[in-house]
Amino acid sequence: KQEVTQIPAALSVPEGENLVLNCSFTDSAIYNLQWFRQDPGKGLTSLLLIQSSQREQTSGRLNASLDKSSGRSTLYIAASQPGDSATYLCAVKNNQGGKLIFGQGTELSVKP
Amino acid sequence: SQTIHQWPATLVQPVGSPLSLECTVEGTSNPNLYWYRQAAGRGLQLLFYSVGIGQISSEVPQNLSASRPQDRQFILSSKKLLLSDSGFYLCAWSRLNTGELFFGEGSRLTVL
Repeated sequence: KQEVTQIPAALSVPEGENLVLNCSFTDSAIYNLQWFRQDPGKGLTSLLLIQSSQREQTSGRLNASLDKSSGRSTLYIAASQPGDSATYLCAVKNNQGGKLIFGQGTELSVKP
Repeated sequence: SQTIHQWPATLVQPVGSPLSLECTVEGTSNPNLYWYRQAAGRGLQLLFYSVGIGQISSEVPQNLSASRPQDRQFILSSKKLLLSDSGFYLCAWSRLNTGELFFGEGSRLTVL
């Protein structure tokens, strides 16, 4: 059974710092991995999607990596800003017809 | 471009009353559609998913049901709400070729 873990549950950093959010999964036979952002009381916004054949994806200041063999993904945020404050969730899909398994999320606070 | 709409955004209902949450997707055809519930503490639980009109799969036994009367419309219903049905309900659709998931803005249900 696939399990997805995100550590830490909460993180507070000063503005301008580069930071890494971690996501680990127990079954390496995944179809894809997706990172989301959620603002309080809002829906989830897709940030990056990494297919199982890919090692990383980049969008602006965000870079997500995937290491299937070790069951890990990281989301790197460069030059963090207060507007980056949100909860970040990763989710794993085991196969093309499988459902997405979500981690519990990391609540990020970027202090001005 | 594709968009997803969910309504109502907020709902306060008495115990035992019926429920209907609606979700529509624009800009794509034959999407896979999903209903998730997010309880306090950020955990996301898949409730229902649909791969086509009239085709509904239920992930967990519960007081809720789902229907897909049209290709891009997904409805979450209950005949009699329970206190435990309170939560944040999210509709989502996925791209068939990549599996990327996109969420609506959510509907917050409070059962009193």
